[in-house]
Amino acid sequence: GAGVSQSPSNKVTEKGKDVELRCDPISGHTALYWYRQSLGQGLEFLIYFQGNSAPDKSGLPSDRFSAERTGGSVSTLTIQRTQQEDSAVYLCASRGQGHEQYFGPGTRLTVT
Amino acid sequence: KNQVEQSPQSLIILEGKNCTLQCNYTVSPFSNLRWYKQDTGRGPVSLTIMTFSENTKSNGRYTATLDADTKQSSLHITASQLSDSASYICVVTRTNSGGYQKVTFGTGTKLQVIP
Repeated sequence: GAGVSQSPSNKVTEKGKDVELRCDPISGHTALYWYRQSLGQGLEFLIYFQGNSAPDKSGLPSDRFSAERTGGSVSTLTIQRTQQEDSAVYLCASRGQGHEQYFGPGTRLTVT
Repeated sequence: KNQVEQSPQSLIILEGKNCTLQCNYTVSPFSNLRWYKQDTGRGPVSLTIMTFSENTKSNGRYTATLDADTKQSSLHITASQLSDSASYICVVTRTNSGGYQKVTFGTGTKLQVIP
């Protein structure tokens, strides 16, 4: 079946602009995660949605970052007033009933 | 503090040789440990997953071991191939009382296999 998809695959934006990144998880997966991977760095947890529970936002680096998950499916990660340090690959993963997280291909964000 | 440390940071080996990557963690309480392979420009792909009661898991030429007492894991790659060139990431998960999964990623080992 279809895996996790993300769009756009690449995004170049000017400093100060807002961006929205989209994640389509695997159908039926109740858990959804957003991560950020900066060049040469490990994966950094951003936010975690589990069903209808309040999301775990403990990894969001600033209040410029927010995420929504509508209808328990598609999620959007919004970065307001982008800064150059926001340049990274943003990865989304979803999980069903088991332990496994399935990752999307990521969105490469470049802030100029 | 919940941490996952991997070593070496990078490794170059000849095609056909074996190698072992290390992962030490301080995550507690432990739920499971996974090894991912991440090709350049791609998302991570799962290789193995082990729970507390498992101490070895194989996936083709990849064999992972887990010592939950010493909080160490290793990933052994046998008869390496050029396509094994990638970053290998160790991920440790803990599940809190509310059923939330908390995931801690290692920084990865970058493996390069050369002909």
